[in-house]
Amino acid sequence: QVQLQESGPGLVKPSQTLSLACSVSGDSISSGNRYWSWIRQPAGKGLEWIGRIYASGSTDYNPSLESRVTISLDTSKNQFSLNLNSVTDADTALYYCASAPLGTWLDPWGQGTLVTVSS
Amino acid sequence: DIQMTQSPSTLSASVGDRVTITCRASQSISRRLAWYQQKPGKAPKLLIYAASSLESGVPSRFSGSGSGTEFTLTISSLQPDDFATYYCQQYNIYSPVTFGQGTKLEIK
Repeated sequence: QVQLQESGPGLVKPSQTLSLACSVSGDSISSGNRYWSWIRQPAGKGLEWIGRIYASGSTDYNPSLESRVTISLDTSKNQFSLNLNSVTDADTALYYCASAPLGTWLDPWGQGTLVTVSS
Repeated sequence: DIQMTQSPSTLSASVGDRVTITCRASQSISRRLAWYQQKPGKAPKLLIYAASSLESGVPSRFSGSGSGTEFTLTISSLQPDDFATYYCQQYNIYSPVTFGQGTKLEIK
């Protein structure tokens, strides 16, 4: 059973880089049978898909965030990471990591981690 | 990108009611649609995948239907635990993932 857990700073200053990691248990991120994804949700708003990474290292990003986002794999730690640069107040949100069997629905999800952008 | 439009955005209903939420895709996604339930402060929970397949452990009062561009989630008899926000999500091959904007199901 795949389980995911987000970690990272809860407070980031404007213009800096938001960095989060998602630790995976129950499967290897390099197994190739899943992709690994980030989603965020501002308070009181809907879900916004940020992007995904495959075991090959290939990535897809939300076009609205693509210029600021990097998702990467750390196979030694069985983790994948999110970097979002040049953050503003609008990036304050609950950030989730999730996984999907190739070409399918997102399941499971991590519990989420709140990131606040503030000076 | 494929746009997903959910309606209504808010739905007021009573325990025992039958309710339906609609999700429309801007282009055909075959049956590549999932439904999630989300409660405040919690991660979304998968209810339905492949438009109409019930996730293991999800009560049978939940059902999904549709294909192509129009989909529905139906709850046959609302229970107190069902008051939450519901999202649809498309996972069409070679397309970025997109979600509907959500439907908040409130107690009338």
